[in-house]
Amino acid sequence: DAGITQSPRHKVTETGTPVTLRCHQTENHRYMYWYRQDPGHGLRLIHYSYGVKDTDKGEVSDGYSVSRSKTEDFLLTLESATSSQTSVYFCAITRDREVEDYGYTFGSGTRLTVV
Amino acid sequence: AQTVTQSQPEMSVQEAETVTLSCTYDTSENNYYLFWYKQPPSRQMILVIRQEAYKQQNATENRFSVNFQKAAKSFSLKISDSQLGDTAMYFCAFMKQAGTYKYIFGTGTRLKVLA
Repeated sequence: DAGITQSPRHKVTETGTPVTLRCHQTENHRYMYWYRQDPGHGLRLIHYSYGVKDTDKGEVSDGYSVSRSKTEDFLLTLESATSSQTSVYFCAITRDREVEDYGYTFGSGTRLTVV
Repeated sequence: AQTVTQSQPEMSVQEAETVTLSCTYDTSENNYYLFWYKQPPSRQMILVIRQEAYKQQNATENRFSVNFQKAAKSFSLKISDSQLGDTAMYFCAFMKQAGTYKYIFGTGTRLKVLA
């Protein structure tokens, strides 16, 4: 499986502070995604990327921005954290369409608490 | 827009018994993929099984199998010979065949296997 790591694994931050979560892959996968997981909502897409500097919004993108300056790194930034952004954040990658297996590989998640 | 519904928030099953988790979805697409993911207490997302919509044969992976009813837009997961290690949250997910490989997740079913 492709290597994917998220950092940090846990973070507590104060309301109004900026926060950046990092997703790093060791393979050359084109597609990367940020999801948030909340009870009763499952996982919802925040932003995704389909190449270096190519990103787009998901269904819950308000209050979040992303950047992808290198193939291997996909950063998620909360410009001014709010309590509603307390959640578990997952990064995921997937292989390109030529490969039969379309399943995601997920990072281990980041639990973010905004106090 | 696609939606995925998991109507069973929680379920329990005795060890060695069989349990079925339900998932329904709504889409106007003809070609797509469906997935079941397992999330144990470790928080890691693990792919359990995958079904291509163009395949009539139901997918199976060891003790896990699906009942895919395309016309009814139903995709249930059957776990046979349940084991304590099957205790986890299970998510159903939908992905269009063409595009940017975004997932739509259901809200999840928490399964507890009882000794």
